[in-house]
Amino acid sequence: NAGVTQTPKFRILKIGQSMTLQCTQDMNHNYMYWYRQDPGMGLKLIYYSVGAGITDKGEVPNGYNVSRSTTEDFPLRLELAAPSQTSVYFCASSYPRGEQFFGPGTRLTVL
Amino acid sequence: RKEVEQDPGPFNVPEGATVAFNCTYSNSASQSFFWYRQDCRKEPKLLMSVYSSGNEDGRFTAQLNRASQYISLLIRDSKLSDSATYLCVVNRDDKIIFGKGTRLHILP
Repeated sequence: NAGVTQTPKFRILKIGQSMTLQCTQDMNHNYMYWYRQDPGMGLKLIYYSVGAGITDKGEVPNGYNVSRSTTEDFPLRLELAAPSQTSVYFCASSYPRGEQFFGPGTRLTVL
Repeated sequence: RKEVEQDPGPFNVPEGATVAFNCTYSNSASQSFFWYRQDCRKEPKLLMSVYSSGNEDGRFTAQLNRASQYISLLIRDSKLSDSATYLCVVNRDDKIIFGKGTRLHILP
């Protein structure tokens, strides 16, 4: 099993550009999550999903969108990138009330 | 009051020593508890789940105190490789709350 995979590993965007961060899991987990982590800070939940077709906002959803058309995939869309979105983005998946498995992260810089 | 609170540290501990840190949670309806470890610029990884009866995995012991609403992590015979940030995680009604982490530095 590959676990949770994320692409790309690194990306530099210009202000106003858009991009999609990809996340895929092969553990058949119902729940998937997107977090951001700024340098020296804790994880902040952006969006989460409890199953295909169901998504909900987390703590910091502004500037982001998600979709969950399959159990495996949970892409995160950034529209109109801003410098404040410079961060490391982690995707995770789990069974209900179970441990979360994290992907290796995407390091995004917006200039 | 934050739902999950941890002392941010850093804890600077000599190699071979025993170190313990606690994490408090505010909602008594919290259902499951975990300790994660995060190395610099890496993803968090599960260290251990925390059970009411307490559990041990090698040099690591985790305890849950529901009456006082805290969980603890004890590391015995600390190694240089234990240097990391330790995250407390609480699950309530399928909502997962991460603490901000406690930084641990093991000194040679």
